[in-house]
Amino acid sequence: QLQLQESGPGLVKPSETLSLTCTVSGGSITNSNYYWGWIRQPPGKGLEWVASIYYSGSAYYNPSLKSRVTISVDTSKNQFSLRLSSVTAADTAVYYCARRPDTVGHFDYWGQGSLVTVSS
Amino acid sequence: QSALAQPPSASGSPGQSVTISCTGTSSDIGGNKYVSWYQQHPGKAPKLMIYEVSKRPSGVPDRFSGSKSGNTASLTVSGLQAEDEADYYCSSYVGSNKFIFGSGTKVTVL
Repeated sequence: QLQLQESGPGLVKPSETLSLTCTVSGGSITNSNYYWGWIRQPPGKGLEWVASIYYSGSAYYNPSLKSRVTISVDTSKNQFSLRLSSVTAADTAVYYCARRPDTVGHFDYWGQGSLVTVSS
Repeated sequence: QSALAQPPSASGSPGQSVTISCTGTSSDIGGNKYVSWYQQHPGKAPKLMIYEVSKRPSGVPDRFSGSKSGNTASLTVSGLQAEDEADYYCSSYVGSNKFIFGSGTKVTVL
């Protein structure tokens, strides 16, 4: 059974960089049939797609966050990561990692989510 | 790009049906078949309920159905049950490996 697990600091100071890692188990991140992505949800608010990546390293970003976001993949560790720079309180959210089958437009497996709070 | 528009809330009694709308544009919902719906219980991760407008993943009850007309997609939950009380989000592929989500609808079972 595929499992995704987010990890990273739960507290980040304003203007610093948020870093999260998603560890994939029960399947290979190099499976050519899938993309991997990050979706976030501010407390009490809706979902927002942040970024997606293919195992080859091809990356895709939400235009509203593109200047601050980097997504990367480490195939040796079966992980992919998110970095969001110059964070503000508006970046406080639960960050989910998820899998998207190639050629389709939905996310079928999600991690449990990781709350990141931006505060001094 | 703004979030897809959903009503903030919807409700129904057990056994009744509730329909949630999701309105976008020709650049998202109206422009492709990749409309999906997610159910989210408090403190939990979203769960895929409908994909490609009307398809159900294995394990999702057939009480859940989806449709689309023009730039508006809909999710109908028939035979409401207590466990259906949750937040529901629509989503659309917008091309170039990018996605947009709806604002979310809280479904209450009266």
